[in-house]
Order: sequence, then C-alpha cells, then structure tokens
Amino acid sequence: DAKTTQPPSMDCAEGRAANLPCNHSTISGNEYVYWYRQIHSQGPQYIIHGLKNNETNEMASLIITEDRKSSTLILPHATLRDTAVYYCIVRVPIEAYNTNAGKSTFGDGTTLTVKP
Amino acid sequence: ETGVTQSPTHLIKTRGQQVTLRCSSQSGHNTVSWYQQALGQGPQFIFQYYREEENGRGNFPPRFSGLQFPNYSSELNVNALELDDSALYLCASSRRLQGGANAEAFFGQGTRLTVV
Repeated sequence: DAKTTQPPSMDCAEGRAANLPCNHSTISGNEYVYWYRQIHSQGPQYIIHGLKNNETNEMASLIITEDRKSSTLILPHATLRDTAVYYCIVRVPIEAYNTNAGKSTFGDGTTLTVKP
Repeated sequence: ETGVTQSPTHLIKTRGQQVTLRCSSQSGHNTVSWYQQALGQGPQFIFQYYREEENGRGNFPPRFSGLQFPNYSSELNVNALELDDSALYLCASSRRLQGGANAEAFFGQGTRLTVV
C-alpha cells in the first residue's frame, strides 16, 4: 500500500475553510484516496473518498491532483466540532482473495484545531 | 451512530492471559477489519475477514487471530498478552462491492484493552 504524508497539526479559525493536505506520491493507478477523522476517544469516522476526480459531499470536498500524487480535504466552514485528527489513507481495491484487499494503512494524521 | 457495536468497551488483563473482543457489523456489511491503535498513533491494520475467511493480514504475530460468523459478526482473539498489546482495538465493517473497492468502512467505538 502507498504511504501517505500529512502535516502533524493545523489550526483554523471557526467559520473559515480548513484545507488539509496529503501527499501520496507512490499511489498506484487503482488505489482510492480515503479520508477519515477521529474525535477523541471515538472510532474513526468516514468523510469522503475518490479515485481521480474531485468529490463533494455534505461534509467536505476532496481535491485530487491530476497526477494523483497529492490531495486536499476541504471543510468549507469549519466549526469547533470539526476539531479532530484527520487521516488520509490509500486503499488497495478489493479483488477476490487478494491478501491485501481492503487493508487500510493509517499514518499519524493531522490534528486540526478549530479556534473561536 | 455507525451501527457497529464492540464489546466490551474497556478491559483489563494480566500479562500472559488471553482475551476475546467482539464486534457486530452494520446490517448488510459482509467484511470486517480489525485495527490496533496505540496511544497517540494512527490505527494499524491487523486483519480482515470476508465470508468467514481471513482475507488480508497486517504485520501482527499469529497470537492475534480472528473469526467471522455467518451473521458477519466477528471476534478478535489475542493469546499470551504482552504489555505492548495495551491499545484501543477498533473494528470496521464494510460492504464488498462487485468489481471494485469496498464502500466506506464504518468503525465501532473500540475496546480499550489494558495489559498489566
């Protein structure tokens, strides 16, 4: 699985956009980019995922560069409740009996602190 | 609420003992993955089960084993506990899609295991 690199911490003012970068320069052509976040003492929460096109849902937007070597998660209007550790991972696609199928390799993530 | 339930929520064991952790998947999900998360680190993939068979394994010794049942619930067993096994153990369920990557994984709240 490709390794991801994220800054260890970031701050963002409440109400402003939070842009969280992720580098995945060794991603292979069929790996998806997934973002999760983890609020203290809870399990990780799925945010969004994509292959090569930009994606948007009710929580966030995902911008993937054309060469797919990096991506940015955008929280358009950060709130205090968005304070969490954000993980960017890449996932091997599922194939029957592929021993690496579904394995998600988490790094240490980015601790986002949203300040009033 | 993700629909993924883990039990127990907290557990204290003595070095050398054995432990069984349990996970109930979200309805309709046929794939279960287990992760170990040490304090201050990202989750580390242990293994994944699909159709009651292990389908991918991380860098964990054989004393970490698992089961998946016909109703897709799962157990994680750890034998000969060591102090370094103290961690948050997370279960994630997902639905394997035909011909592509898994849909997003939903995590439980985890079991906090302390080995003394």
